[in-house]
Amino acid sequence: ILNVEQSPQSLHVQEGDSTNFTCSFPSSNFYALHWYRWETAKSPEALFVMTLNGDEKKKGRISATLNTKEGYSYLYIKGSQPEDSATYLCAFRVREGGSEKLVFGKGTKLTVNP
Amino acid sequence: KAGVTQTPRYLIKTRGQQVTLSCSPISGHRSVSWYQQTPGQGLQFLFEYFSETQRNKGNFPGRFSGRQFSNSRSEMNVSTLELGDSALYLCASSGGVSLAKNIQYFGAGTRLSVL
Repeated sequence: ILNVEQSPQSLHVQEGDSTNFTCSFPSSNFYALHWYRWETAKSPEALFVMTLNGDEKKKGRISATLNTKEGYSYLYIKGSQPEDSATYLCAFRVREGGSEKLVFGKGTKLTVNP
Repeated sequence: KAGVTQTPRYLIKTRGQQVTLSCSPISGHRSVSWYQQTPGQGLQFLFEYFSETQRNKGNFPGRFSGRQFSNSRSEMNVSTLELGDSALYLCASSGGVSLAKNIQYFGAGTRLSVL
């Protein structure tokens, strides 16, 4: 069974702090990695889909990098705001028994204190 | 453009019953995936339908089944409910051909409680 590990499990930061967290995945047979943001009582919302080693993607104050050779992706948030409080999920594409699926990590829960 | 709509939002059933959940994808999306989330677990992939055919399948027992209609709306059925089936069930639609390379647009979920 292929696992996606996210760290830390939870994080508390002050408004204005910059922060980052990690998604680790198997480095063999890489195809795609997704990042999602899930606010309480809302639907998960896509941030990035990354497919190439060395990819860097940015959306406002949030950016992500990808290293497929060593099997990790970093998500950075610059100048955190209370509205950034959410659980951040990554998902790795896996092919098993002829089926393709996204395997999600358990997420990093970010709380930004005003 | 309307988002992904899941009905019902909440459901309470008893052990042994069966349940059907519904998902209407974003207009034009042909791929619909279903996920289960239980406390302490990440989202677990159930299956994906594309153009009315089950294209990909996760590691869930046969009690979990689904189908997709010609308008891309999808239903998920769970038969002989067990206590452990209590979970949030999310569906997601995607506009591209590749499950892995295209953004998943999620619905708000159906929270199922099995008593």
